[in-house]
Amino acid sequence: GAGVSQSPSNKVTEKGKDVELRCDPISGHTALYWYRQSLGQGLEFLIYFQGNSAPDKSGLPSDRFSAERTGGSVSTLKIQPSEPRDSAVYFCASSFASNTEAFFGQGTRLTVV
Amino acid sequence: AQRVTQPEKLLSVFKGAPVELKCNYSYSGSPELFWYVQYSRQRLQLLLRHISRESIKGFTADLNKGETSFHLKKPFAQEEDSAMYYCALASYSSASKIIFGSGTRLSIRP
Repeated sequence: GAGVSQSPSNKVTEKGKDVELRCDPISGHTALYWYRQSLGQGLEFLIYFQGNSAPDKSGLPSDRFSAERTGGSVSTLKIQPSEPRDSAVYFCASSFASNTEAFFGQGTRLTVV
Repeated sequence: AQRVTQPEKLLSVFKGAPVELKCNYSYSGSPELFWYVQYSRQRLQLLLRHISRESIKGFTADLNKGETSFHLKKPFAQEEDSAMYYCALASYSSASKIIFGSGTRLSIRP
């Protein structure tokens, strides 16, 4: 596709269940980012990939969060297990290089009840 | 350390009034500065970058290296400018991540 694609667009799950969010970046983009945005708040950085490696994962809030990227392309963010406080919109972004424009996906709205 | 500071969480101005969204940065090298915008129910998108020196939707931003600022300005606010605005910094010289500020919500009152 032409842009960054995230799936699912919406996810409602129960506390304690595992969650997996997917990001398909723009083809050829080496840098990939995950952010989350709680209601009415700003962007919260989670993790940054350069290729398949993650030089900065300082924003992952706890051991329940993990992320990987394979083939320099698709990335998945996992929350194992999920908690109500994880409820937010999770955004993925990619860029050709780390110092060029970042293109954002439409986000995944996660609700943990 | 690289840092982007947006001191105002919320800015409310009347339609037709001038707008200035503040952004200060901390970086020792040559930064690339951006402004991103998020309209209601839309994804974040690039508004402008300092290197292109362009005006987008009436907005301009000048990089002031002496004051380490990159404030976003518009002389006459319009209701459709209501959105969340993020200032961001990237490095020319290293493969480090882009840094976003905490964002400023701009609300234009009719």
